[in-house]
Amino acid sequence: DAGVIQSPRHEVTEMGQEVTLRCKPISGHNSLFWYRQTMMRGLELLIYFNNNVPIDDSGMPEDRFSAKMPNASFSTLKIQPSEPRDSAVYFCASSFSGGRDGYTFGSGTRLTVV
Amino acid sequence: AQTVTQSQPEMSVQEAETVTLSCTYDTSESDYYLFWYKQPPSRQMILVIRQEAYKQQNATENRFSVNFQKAAKSFSLKISDSQLGDAAMYFCAYRGMNRDDKIIFGKGTRLHILP
Repeated sequence: DAGVIQSPRHEVTEMGQEVTLRCKPISGHNSLFWYRQTMMRGLELLIYFNNNVPIDDSGMPEDRFSAKMPNASFSTLKIQPSEPRDSAVYFCASSFSGGRDGYTFGSGTRLTVV
Repeated sequence: AQTVTQSQPEMSVQEAETVTLSCTYDTSESDYYLFWYKQPPSRQMILVIRQEAYKQQNATENRFSVNFQKAAKSFSLKISDSQLGDAAMYFCAYRGMNRDDKIIFGKGTRLHILP
């Protein structure tokens, strides 16, 4: 298995632009998580899905952030419009529900908003 | 709500020595999982070791072992024979056994290896 695949690895965009981050979870995993990591706040859970359904989006900072999971093999996190304070590393992770194996993380997308 | 606390933001250890990273957690559940993740400069999050709360035996993975004290809600990570490649941020994490339970991460401990 190729693991959790995220794209792009790096993204630099101008303030006000729309940004879309992509994630392909491990085949067979039915839970998917989006995290944001910054020096100040550490790892923050933004949203997670179970069987493609959003279960908890309480971590989504504001309406500028949205996430979708149209099928079991693909998820997107969109920021529109982007702001400099959104600059961070965004991780996608997947797992089996309640699994003992923890999460498998993707390599993250480093987003820089200038 | 469950919480995970790592009280050591940074630690240093001499190469080939042993170091212990501390972690405490708070929960009202009796069954759960605990994890240690490593994040090297490459930023990839790597699962180092896992412990099931219902197992009394401490988990071990090569040079990595844990000291799991369920009553004290303590879950420390011991790294033996430290190597330069062990330099990373280490996160302690908790997951309940309910369906859909998310993993709760501590704020991390940055480990430096001194040559």
